[in-house]
Amino acid sequence: KNQVEQSPQSLIILEGKNCTLQCNYTVSPFSNLRWYKQDTGRGPVSLTIMTFSENTKSNGRYTATLDADTKQSSLHITASQLSDSASYICVVSAGGSYIPTFGRGTSLIVHP
Amino acid sequence: GAVVSQHPSRVICKSGTSVKIECRSLDFQATTMFWYRQFPKQSLMLMATSNEGSKATYEQGVEKDKFLINHASLTLSTLTVTSAHPEDSSFYICSAQRAGGGNEQYFGPGTRLTVT
Repeated sequence: KNQVEQSPQSLIILEGKNCTLQCNYTVSPFSNLRWYKQDTGRGPVSLTIMTFSENTKSNGRYTATLDADTKQSSLHITASQLSDSASYICVVSAGGSYIPTFGRGTSLIVHP
Repeated sequence: GAVVSQHPSRVICKSGTSVKIECRSLDFQATTMFWYRQFPKQSLMLMATSNEGSKATYEQGVEKDKFLINHASLTLSTLTVTSAHPEDSSFYICSAQRAGGGNEQYFGPGTRLTVT
């Protein structure tokens, strides 16, 4: 069964600090992995997409890593801002299927 | 590009009435659209997948007669919640896949449904 597990479930950090969110998956065969940011009351917005051959991808202060061997991904947020407060969702797609598997998300709160 | 809109953004209705939510891909053609439901502090739960011109495929536990989905064109899908009850109150999000564009999903901004 395809599964995506995210940790931590929630995280509180101070503005300006860095943080790393984790995503472990058992989706097979692996096609790609996406990180989304979902603000409260809004739809998810894509941050990064990574395929099997990529192990690092950056989007501004967001850097995603992928280890396809261990089936792990992380999302690192540098110099956090109050606007980073949101839910971050890891989504993994399997080859041959157009329905991805969603993680439950990590709720990040950035305090001033 | 790849903008998806939803209308309305918020709706309040009385128990027993029906509510229609529209999902539109504004600048691309979407062969496949997805409907999700999200309860507070929960992840998105896929309700159904709709392909243009064919019947929607519903996930296990989702009543197809209660959640009517129509995908009549490559840019529009609608979700009708029939005979709504308070337990149907939720955040409904649609997403669309671009025709010939792989499996990336572009999400709408969501619709907050409150049934009183």
